[in-house]
Amino acid sequence: DQQVKQNSPSLSVQEGRISILNCDYTNSMFDYFLWYKKYPAEGPTFLISISSIKDKNEDGRFTVFLNKSAKHLSLHIVPSQPGDSAVYFCAARGRNNFNKFYFGSGTKLNVKP
Amino acid sequence: GAGVSQSPSNKVTEKGKDVELRCDPISGHTALYWYRQSLGQGLEFLIYFQGNSAPDKSGLPSDRFSAERTGGSVSTLTIQRTQQEDSAVYLCASSPGQGVSYNEQFFGPGTRLTVL
Repeated sequence: DQQVKQNSPSLSVQEGRISILNCDYTNSMFDYFLWYKKYPAEGPTFLISISSIKDKNEDGRFTVFLNKSAKHLSLHIVPSQPGDSAVYFCAARGRNNFNKFYFGSGTKLNVKP
Repeated sequence: GAGVSQSPSNKVTEKGKDVELRCDPISGHTALYWYRQSLGQGLEFLIYFQGNSAPDKSGLPSDRFSAERTGGSVSTLTIQRTQQEDSAVYLCASSPGQGVSYNEQFFGPGTRLTVL
């Protein structure tokens, strides 16, 4: 029973355009959300996070939006660059257990030059 | 500085054998996590260690799985009597456990386990 879902296994975007990666969750107890980026043969690396008290967090080219009523978050990358090509994982943590993180299955982003 | 390291990077074993996977966290990190990623799935939480506290083992899928963390540093994940469904990439992560980034996880490259 996956509590965090990334329904698009892959996404292809032209360099310079916007990449939008989506994530849905089912547990209303989740209060902290993260995005990780993973290159082949490497572990995931932290990208950006958002607390449930916010609906937007921005860091350079990366912005995460949170819609609590829809239990949906998205990661926007603008402008997309070829080096952004990687697998992106969405993760969530609940207020009832700060140590346990639930991950989505990932979306593979390909940014074409 | 050195990141999280895991060994071996690849392990092929026969069904029924025991395997040990090792994780060396970032020096000074008090928290350590094990996850596994099966094909086409997300990362599945297995176990969490924080300092000298009792580990959170709520994600271990069966009693064939166990983990230790010796001296608050190196961790070993042991899978006994391996089954084909245990085939996955096993990822270890550590986090500072304190300070502003107390919960930010730094991942190792993973161990790819194949059970024949």
